[in-house]
Amino acid sequence: QQQVKQSPQSLIVQKGGISIINCAYENTAFDYFPWYQQFPGKGPALLIAIRPDVSEKKEGRFTISFNKSAKQFSLHIMDSQPGDSATYFCAASPELSGSARQLTFGSGTQLTVLP
Amino acid sequence: DAGVIQSPRHEVTEMGQEVTLRCKPISGHNSLFWYRQTMMRGLELLIYFNNNVPIDDSGMPEDRFSAKMPNASFSTLKIQPSEPRDSAVYFCASSLGQPRNTEAFFGQGTRLTVV
Repeated sequence: QQQVKQSPQSLIVQKGGISIINCAYENTAFDYFPWYQQFPGKGPALLIAIRPDVSEKKEGRFTISFNKSAKQFSLHIMDSQPGDSATYFCAASPELSGSARQLTFGSGTQLTVLP
Repeated sequence: DAGVIQSPRHEVTEMGQEVTLRCKPISGHNSLFWYRQTMMRGLELLIYFNNNVPIDDSGMPEDRFSAKMPNASFSTLKIQPSEPRDSAVYFCASSLGQPRNTEAFFGQGTRLTVV
């Protein structure tokens, strides 16, 4: 029930195209859904996050769409650029009283944006 | 702020040897996480500290793994004895430790190779 399933495993997109990565979860206690971006040799870094009280959140070219009833959320990268080439992880966590969040990560999507 | 600092960046050791990985969290953060990243299993949470106290070590794979946080600015992850299957990238992350303040900041990782 702690699992977060992510797809696709890898994605190749032309420059200027839209990249879409999908995640699904089972645990209904999850109430925080971040996406992390990881470049080779670096640690993951928070890209954008959403809570289930909204269905969409947009920051620049990055948008999270959230479907609470389907227990699914996705990352859309508009006008994809070669610099976006990285591994993207979705994650989820429940709110724990008085505690920091323990993130459960998806398996990752390796995005390649061709110039 | 220098961010989360991990050392060493790379470690190559022989099977059976003791390995100690080190982490300095961001100053003021009171939650610290150790993750392991492999191709097969992705990002796995090993252990989580809050205010220097281990809260959840259910992800620690075996008794060969141990972690300590003697003070707010230092943590270690020890593997004794090490085995080839422990080869992975180990990440330390820290956060402010408040449920609504959720961003986890990752270090650059330690790439461990056990031969």
